[in-house]
Amino acid sequence: TQLLEQSPQFLSIQEGENLTVYCNSSSVFSSLQWYRQEPGEGPVLLVTVVTGGEVKKLKRLTFQFGDARKDSSLHITAAQPGDTGLYLCAGAESSGSARQLTFGSGTQLTVLP
Amino acid sequence: GAVVSQHPSRVICKSGTSVKIECRSLDFQATTMFWYRQFPKQSLMLMATSNEGSKATYEQGVEKDKFLINHASLTLSTLTVTSAHPEDSSFYICSARDPGRGVNEQFFGPGTRLTVL
Repeated sequence: TQLLEQSPQFLSIQEGENLTVYCNSSSVFSSLQWYRQEPGEGPVLLVTVVTGGEVKKLKRLTFQFGDARKDSSLHITAAQPGDTGLYLCAGAESSGSARQLTFGSGTQLTVLP
Repeated sequence: GAVVSQHPSRVICKSGTSVKIECRSLDFQATTMFWYRQFPKQSLMLMATSNEGSKATYEQGVEKDKFLINHASLTLSTLTVTSAHPEDSSFYICSARDPGRGVNEQFFGPGTRLTVL
């Protein structure tokens, strides 16, 4: 079973600060997704990265896939209270007919006004 | 595109009753859907993979007779929690893969909050 370690588990910061969330594994993933989930709702897909070293930007969010496709990071610039939520990384195995996702443990982000 | 709905959003039932949760892909056909369970402030736990026209694949430790899954069409999968007990209270979320996309993205429903009294 492939495991994804996500850190930090909890993060509370002031509005305007920057932050980085890490997702690490000893296994190689064919693709990796980042989701954000708000209380009482399902996760919403933010981005998918598929190429080693790939960097994608979504407004103030920057996502990077490691060169070896074993790790990823999410960097938020000038965080806002609306960024508050549970951030989940999820990796897809390179093989397997079910194409299941392996989820990280999640990072609960709270941005204080 | 890639919208998944779930119904009901919230259900409260008495211990011993059965509850059915529906998961629908609204704008694409999904040969594979997934059912997850989530506890407060924790990540998603995969319960089973639902395959259209065939039996579901259950994760280790998930009772298939307790959590019945039916995937009768390309847009609908149902999860039935049979003889529910208070320990089954949780947030249940489904997801679906859009085979038209080239990567292994899953799109999630809004979840169902089950409370068993």
